Amino acid sequence: DAKTTQPTSMDCAEGRAANLPCNHSTISGNEYVYWYRQIHSQGPQYIIHGLKNNETNEMASLIITEDRKSSTLILPHATLRDTAVYYCIVRVAWGRDDKIIFGKGTRLHILP
Amino acid sequence: DTGVSQNPRHKITKRGQNVTFRCDPISEHNRLYWYRQTLGQGPEFLTYFQNEAQLEKSRLLSDRFSAERPKGSFSTLEIQRTEQGDSAMYLCASSPEGVGQETQYFGPGTRLLVL
Repeated sequence: DAKTTQPTSMDCAEGRAANLPCNHSTISGNEYVYWYRQIHSQGPQYIIHGLKNNETNEMASLIITEDRKSSTLILPHATLRDTAVYYCIVRVAWGRDDKIIFGKGTRLHILP
Repeated sequence: DTGVSQNPRHKITKRGQNVTFRCDPISEHNRLYWYRQTLGQGPEFLTYFQNEAQLEKSRLLSDRFSAERPKGSFSTLEIQRTEQGDSAMYLCASSPEGVGQETQYFGPGTRLLVL
């Protein structure tokens, strides 16, 4: 089973920041938080990942709480092309268990 | 770097037929994964290769399913005697070998419809 809890769906106005929450209250010290998204009929696309520090790249920012039990993915200026299902995933940082366990994710609708 | 590619992108077959899908990973990625995704669900892990060795198989991979990666480059996933329940998107991903878990990069998927 997925180790994360996400809202089923969210709306965001185009041009505004989209803030997608994720709860991972049972996360272990050796587990990363990963975010992927899946645009309709395409394969999942890697967005960002982090261990305990906040991370930023050209696509998004990842804010992880100090206790690491939750995180927020921020898309700073959402566009219509950001409409997708967003998956929050926890993964062990090392070891042989290399598979990704996906939940159902959050369906983000960007409204014009 | 052209990304992970999968062929065909779409396949329609009749129940009982065999189908084979191909995945070409990002060059020099040692690890290759297969996932299956049904409508409204997240992808589910099927199997994983490191080079040519198949290191893990999910219980979802029944004996009608077989995956190979003979030379440690491209991989094939074959489904024998297809059933309607096999209709799904089959996704391939690859990652480099590293000290720890590395980011997996996904292909566009092969959508299978079994009639």
